[in-house]
Amino acid sequence: GQQLNQSPQSMFIQEGEDVSMNCTSSSIFNTWLWYKQDPGEGPVLLIALYKAGELTSNGRLTAQFGITRKDSFLNISASIPSDVGIYFCAGQGGSSNTGKLIFGQGTTLQVKP
Amino acid sequence: GAGVSQSPSNKVTEKGKDVELRCDPISGHTALYWYRQRLGQGLEFLIYFQGNSAPDKSGLPSDRFSAERTGESVSTLTIQRTQQEDSAVYLCASSLGGLAGGGTQYFGPGTRLLVL
Repeated sequence: GQQLNQSPQSMFIQEGEDVSMNCTSSSIFNTWLWYKQDPGEGPVLLIALYKAGELTSNGRLTAQFGITRKDSFLNISASIPSDVGIYFCAGQGGSSNTGKLIFGQGTTLQVKP
Repeated sequence: GAGVSQSPSNKVTEKGKDVELRCDPISGHTALYWYRQRLGQGLEFLIYFQGNSAPDKSGLPSDRFSAERTGESVSTLTIQRTQQEDSAVYLCASSLGGLAGGGTQYFGPGTRLLVL
C-alpha cells in the first residue's frame, strides 16, 4: 500500500540531545500528523498540522507542515529516557476524503541515560 | 473514560483456519478504521466505516478479508483461510467522524496475529 518516506529509520542518542526526523510524500495531504507508539500499544497522537507552512509546538516537540504539503518534520528538544519509542508521521486528506491515514515506516528512537 | 478496546490481544492460529478480530470503539464515535502493521513497518489502511457502512474498503488485501460493523459500535474483522503472510498486528481506531471521516483517530492496543 501507499506509504510515506520517513527518515531516519532509527536513532540512538544521548539524553539531553535534540532529535529531528522527517517525512516526504509524492502526494499532497491536507493534514499531517505525528504519532508515537510504545511496545504493545497503539499509536498515540503527538501533534496535528492543518495548514501548509504551519509550525506547531507541544512541550518539547515542534513540528512543521511543509509549504508544498508534501513533507513534514518533527523535532524533539532535550530528549529524556521516556522519549524512547517509535515515531510515525501520517498524512490525511488530499485525494481521499474518508479520513484514512497514510503512515511512514517509522523512526525508532533510543535514548541513552 | 474507556478508550478503544480490541480482542483478543494475541491470537495464534494454523494456516488455513479462519479468525475473527473484534474492536470496540469509543462510545459515540461514528467513524471506525482498521489498519494492519507488519513487523517493523508502518500501519497500512484496510477499511473505513462511517456508521455501519463501509464506503472505503480499498485497503483490504484480498477477498479473504472482510469486516462488518453493527449498531454503529462493535466491528469484526474476519480473515478466512489464513496464510502466514497474514501474521501482523491488526489495529483499530475510532474518531468522531462526520461526512469526511475527520477528527482525531484514537487507536486500540491491537491484536497480534501469528499464523503458523
